[in-house]
Amino acid sequence: GENVEQHPSTLSVQEGDSAVIKCTYSDSASNYFPWYKQELGKRPQLIIDIRSNVGEKKDQRIAVTLNKTAKHFSLHITETQPEDSAVYFCAAGNTPLVFGKGTRLSVIA
Amino acid sequence: ETGVTQTPRHLVMGMTNKKSLKCEQHLGHNAMYWYKQSAKKPLELMFVYNFKEQTENNSVPSRFSPECPNSSHLFLHLHTLQPEDSALYLCASSQDRSLAYNEQFFGPGTRLTVL
Repeated sequence: GENVEQHPSTLSVQEGDSAVIKCTYSDSASNYFPWYKQELGKRPQLIIDIRSNVGEKKDQRIAVTLNKTAKHFSLHITETQPEDSAVYFCAAGNTPLVFGKGTRLSVIA
Repeated sequence: ETGVTQTPRHLVMGMTNKKSLKCEQHLGHNAMYWYKQSAKKPLELMFVYNFKEQTENNSVPSRFSPECPNSSHLFLHLHTLQPEDSALYLCASSQDRSLAYNEQFFGPGTRLTVL
């Protein structure tokens, strides 16, 4: 089955800096790679996703890159703001999704 | 209420109690999921239902018993739980488990404490 590794587990950045979270997966058949954001006390919510036929996708300050050969994908947040502070989960798979263990991002004002 | 709802939001129970968690989705989806979220294993998949049929049971102990009477409702029946079962239980739904790109929508969760 699929196995997803996520790094780092915690990340602190200064407001305005960039943050990068990386994930690797094991199943070459996986073709869907979403990222979820979970704020404290709230439910996980999808922020961006990428499909296997695309190498990069961007939505305002958030971008995701996918390297299928190396089986890794990354989340990039530019110009970080305090409201970006949350736990971020990557996931991979077809059905069902397998989630990484999460990265706690703290943006320091 | 729209989206995915869960009740109760908080539950404290003893090890000998029997309780049930309820999930309801208002999105017209056909797949529903139970996840356990704890500090040790975030977002651990427990069960998957697609068109009311159970398609995944991720080696979950029998003290957790799911029920899916229709595509909109999902229950998790609990009995003789252990303190280590204390966690946030999240329900999610998606359009169809068999679709390749299957965004999942999560409910707010039930915070369970087993004494």
